[in-house]
Order: sequence, then C-alpha cells, then structure tokens
Amino acid sequence: GEDVEQSLFLSVREGDSSVINCTYTDSSSTYLYWYKQEPGAGLQLLTYIFSNMDMKQDQRLTVLLNKKDKHLSLRIADTQTGDSAIYFCATPEISSGSARQLTFGSGTQLTVLP
Amino acid sequence: GAVVSQHPSWVICKSGTSVKIECRSLDFQATTMFWYRQFPKQSLMLMATSNEGSKATYEQGVEKDKFLINHASLTLSTLTVTSAHPEDSSFYICSAIPTGDDEQYFGPGTRLTVT
Repeated sequence: GEDVEQSLFLSVREGDSSVINCTYTDSSSTYLYWYKQEPGAGLQLLTYIFSNMDMKQDQRLTVLLNKKDKHLSLRIADTQTGDSAIYFCATPEISSGSARQLTFGSGTQLTVLP
Repeated sequence: GAVVSQHPSWVICKSGTSVKIECRSLDFQATTMFWYRQFPKQSLMLMATSNEGSKATYEQGVEKDKFLINHASLTLSTLTVTSAHPEDSSFYICSAIPTGDDEQYFGPGTRLTVT
C-alpha cells in the first residue's frame, strides 16, 4: 500500500514562512491533499493539487509537487499563531468502487512562536 | 455546504459498557462513510468503510464484533464500541463522501475515555 511520510515537528516565528514536507510512494496518486487539524478537532481540508500540476497557490498557501522525487510541500507565508496545528498530507488509494480511501502521513505539528 | 457532524463530542464511560457514536452528513447524502481512530499525537488510522445498505468493510486488525458499524440511511452511520476497555480510549473521526463525488468531508471527532 501507499506509504506517506512527514517530519513530526516544525517551529517558526510569527511572520516567517513555514514549509512542511511530505514524501509518498504511490506514483499513481492523482490528487494530493493537505489537511489541518486544530487541537481536539476534526480535519479541515486546506488545499489539494492535481498530479499534473507542479505548483498551486491559494492566498498564503503554496503547494509544490515534485513527481520525480515523489515530494510534496506546503508553504505558509506570513505564518500566524492561528496557524499552529497539525498538518497532514494525504493521498488517495484507489479502492474497489468509486469511493476513495486516503492514506495519511504522520502529521507535522506546527508551532508558531510569538 | 458539506457539513459532517458527530455526536457526542466527548464521552466518558465505564469499562464493560457500550458506547454509540453517530456520524451525520447534514446537507448531503453519503453512500460511503469512513471511520478513523486517532491516538494522541499520531496519524489517523482507518478502521472501516461504512456503506449504506450493506455490511461495513473492516481494515485488517480491527475487530468487527467490537466495533459495530451500522449505516442505516444515506445521512447517518453509527459506530458502537462494545464492552469498552481503557485501551479503546481514543479520538474517533468519521468522514463522508457525497454520493457521486470523491471528496471526503470530516466530522469534528468524538473523544472517548473509558475508565
């Protein structure tokens, strides 16, 4: 099955940029997702990128995809204290039928220091 | 749109009792819902796929007799933890996929503590 890996922790100063990295093994993934989880809450979809794209920007968020290296990154510009959360990358596994299961990375705990 | 709710948000129960957790899609119909378990500071582990009108599909290592899943309607799936033990204490998250779509929408999670 798919294997998705992330570094566990990242600390940045408020106002700096944050870069969260993710590597995956299944090259047939058509979408790659970034989710945010705040303490005690469920997952919120932040953004996603199609596998035929190299980059996607959405306000403060920039997603970079290197398909050759199977590497995905999420850059958060001008990081704020409200960005402190756990960030998960996820790729879909094509299961039987139309619904897709997701394989999640271990999550990166982002801490924003004042 | 695409809101998923879970009830209760948190529950404390005694060892040996059963607990039911509900997952509802509030503004869409979902043929498929997923149940995940998350331990502190860990990733989500898929427990089972819940399909409306049919039996749930459990992941390897998940006891189907312990974690009963019922997907009785297109907007409701329930997870019942039977004869709960302290090791079942965890954060349980569901997600739902709108019929005809591939996007998963996640519920806010249910914190279960078994004493």
